[in-house]
Amino acid sequence: EAQVTQNPRYLITVTGKKLTVTCSQNMNHEYMSWYRQDPGLGLRQIYYSMNVEVTDKGDVPEGYKVSRKEKRNFPLILESPSPNQTSLYFCASSGGTVSNQPQHFGDGTRLSIL
Amino acid sequence: ILNVEQSPQSLHVQEGDSTNFTCSFPSSNFYALHWYRWETAKSPEALFVMTLNGDEKKKGRISATLNTKEGYSYLYIKGSQPEDSATYLCAHLNMEYGNKLVFGAGTILRVKS
Repeated sequence: EAQVTQNPRYLITVTGKKLTVTCSQNMNHEYMSWYRQDPGLGLRQIYYSMNVEVTDKGDVPEGYKVSRKEKRNFPLILESPSPNQTSLYFCASSGGTVSNQPQHFGDGTRLSIL
Repeated sequence: ILNVEQSPQSLHVQEGDSTNFTCSFPSSNFYALHWYRWETAKSPEALFVMTLNGDEKKKGRISATLNTKEGYSYLYIKGSQPEDSATYLCAHLNMEYGNKLVFGAGTILRVKS
């Protein structure tokens, strides 16, 4: 089954404790992206990647890191999480570019930073 | 950050009503416009990707139009059903900003039976 898999689905942690949210897709998609969703603000893009070893900042990259060492994986790293990073996070992928291909979303990861 | 605005913010309609909502975006350097449907406790699902001025796309009772010159897209739902209740998101891709997708805040649709 074609899918985007995120882990964990839920995480409660404390300020300053490094964490990684994994994202994996099995569709051989070139484009992958991370979004955060906050009430009233819609989805905001954190980082995106056009292909292996190519990553670019979205609109809200501060406090996050990503890497794209393999085509299928695009982990999101919070080196020193803070409470303002409490949010619902989505990973997404698309074949080709998003100019003509839709995004396929994972199930989401709800992060709470205390 | 480019501004993508959706209106109305929320909408309550009766089963059987037809409805429509708007996505507004900057008209310069247009590249693509996406529509997604997002049900509560699920992840967003793609409805349409539109790239050409005048584009019209249809999927069942849902259709969308695109006007890139004036910077808006309409999403129409004919004969709304309770299962259409969801948040409808549009996302804009602008040539000047490469492959960065900018989403609107969404329109929440509730259909009462």
